Amino acid sequence: SQQGEEDPQALSIQEGENATMNCSYKTSINNLQWYRQNSGRGLVHLILIRSNEREKHSGRLRVTLDTSKKSSSLLITASRAADTASYFCATDAGTASKLTFGTGTRLQVTL
Amino acid sequence: GAGVSQTPSNKVTEKGKYVELRCDPISGHTALYWYRQSLGQGPEFLIYFQGTGAADDSGLPNDRFFAVRPEGSVSTLKIQRTERGDSAVYLCASSLSPGTGIHTQYFGPGTRLTVL
Repeated sequence: SQQGEEDPQALSIQEGENATMNCSYKTSINNLQWYRQNSGRGLVHLILIRSNEREKHSGRLRVTLDTSKKSSSLLITASRAADTASYFCATDAGTASKLTFGTGTRLQVTL
Repeated sequence: GAGVSQTPSNKVTEKGKYVELRCDPISGHTALYWYRQSLGQGPEFLIYFQGTGAADDSGLPNDRFFAVRPEGSVSTLKIQRTERGDSAVYLCASSLSPGTGIHTQYFGPGTRLTVL
């Protein structure tokens, strides 16, 4: 079953704009990760944030985590056409290690 | 180094047939996971191996699904008496032992299974 939902389900922006995606989850977590998926195939790991962290940066990516609200956001700054993909958040509960994914946000970046 | 590989990339079969899907994890990764992704959905967990043993198979939908990892490296997901509802992309991932506290999972390209 899915852990939670992502919002929006689809997002269309122009190149150079920022894209923000939100993820909500249901149970306590150890880590939250964001993945990108092109064309419905393999997922590429983008960034991991631990439950005791509130914000993390990696290049053009900024992730925030609010454990009190059970939510996270992914910000992609200065988007490029190559950022067009589906983005998923995934949580793990520690020792169990299996990932529970959200429903995903489909991002379309146009020239 | 090489990433996670999966074969075949596509598999078309008829209802009621048996299929095997193979996953070759990143060398040195002791943890291996199988997920299933239906169209428009996020991946859903099936089974997790730590070494040769299945540490968690709670995601397997029924007893038609079975997975093995006999030597602690390559894994095979086996589906008996396939049904049209089994059609999905089957994803494999591997990671360093969860005991390291690092849970980044690296995914293969997936096998798209179509049951006619």
